[in-house]
Amino acid sequence: AQKITQTQPGMFVQEKEAVTLDCTYDTSDQSYGLFWYKQPSSGEMIFLIYQGSYDEQNATEGRYSLNFQKARKSANLVISASQLGDSAMYFCAMSGPGKTSYDKVIFGPGTSLSVIP
Amino acid sequence: EAGVAQSPRYKIIEKRQSVAFWCNPISGHATLYWYQQILGQGPKLLIQFQNNGVVDDSQLPKDRFSAERLKGVDSTLKIQPAKLEDSAVYLCASSLDQGYPYEQYFGPGTRLTVT
Repeated sequence: AQKITQTQPGMFVQEKEAVTLDCTYDTSDQSYGLFWYKQPSSGEMIFLIYQGSYDEQNATEGRYSLNFQKARKSANLVISASQLGDSAMYFCAMSGPGKTSYDKVIFGPGTSLSVIP
Repeated sequence: EAGVAQSPRYKIIEKRQSVAFWCNPISGHATLYWYQQILGQGPKLLIQFQNNGVVDDSQLPKDRFSAERLKGVDSTLKIQPAKLEDSAVYLCASSLDQGYPYEQYFGPGTRLTVT
């Protein structure tokens, strides 16, 4: 069965510093997708970044990058130059084969990030 | 482009009562998802529609939860009767095509409190 683990319940980072949020996953599938969502206190889930299991290069989206280490089954999110608006819950998620490919997304428990001015 | 709309935003009911949530996805999005997010946890998929057909409802407690997506557009999720453990935020999301779950767009959610 697929599983997502986020071992950091809460993280603090100084404004303008970089921070890494950890994510490990477990799957027996060869084809899967990994991504990160941000959930501010308003509650809406915001898509940040995506990495396919066959993508050779790490994904980047602005200040977000995904450090994908397939052999270790890890997909850590790196946020560079943290801003106060980055304070939120961050969820790692995975999609995998089901009835069709790339369906049924599962989410990790989340990491709460607080940016300190 | 309008986002995913959900209503109501908040609902308080007593246990054993029934409740319904409504979701209107982004125009043109074929796939619609309902998630349950209990406080302190990640979202859990309850049901997934492709147009007006159900793709996955393996985690939907079918004895009390039901969902429909008539005409392949908006959707309703119903709980009858509600239990205390149903207190959660119910998130609706949509995506353009079933093959691209990383492009799920979420609504603001409905926060349900069962007393």
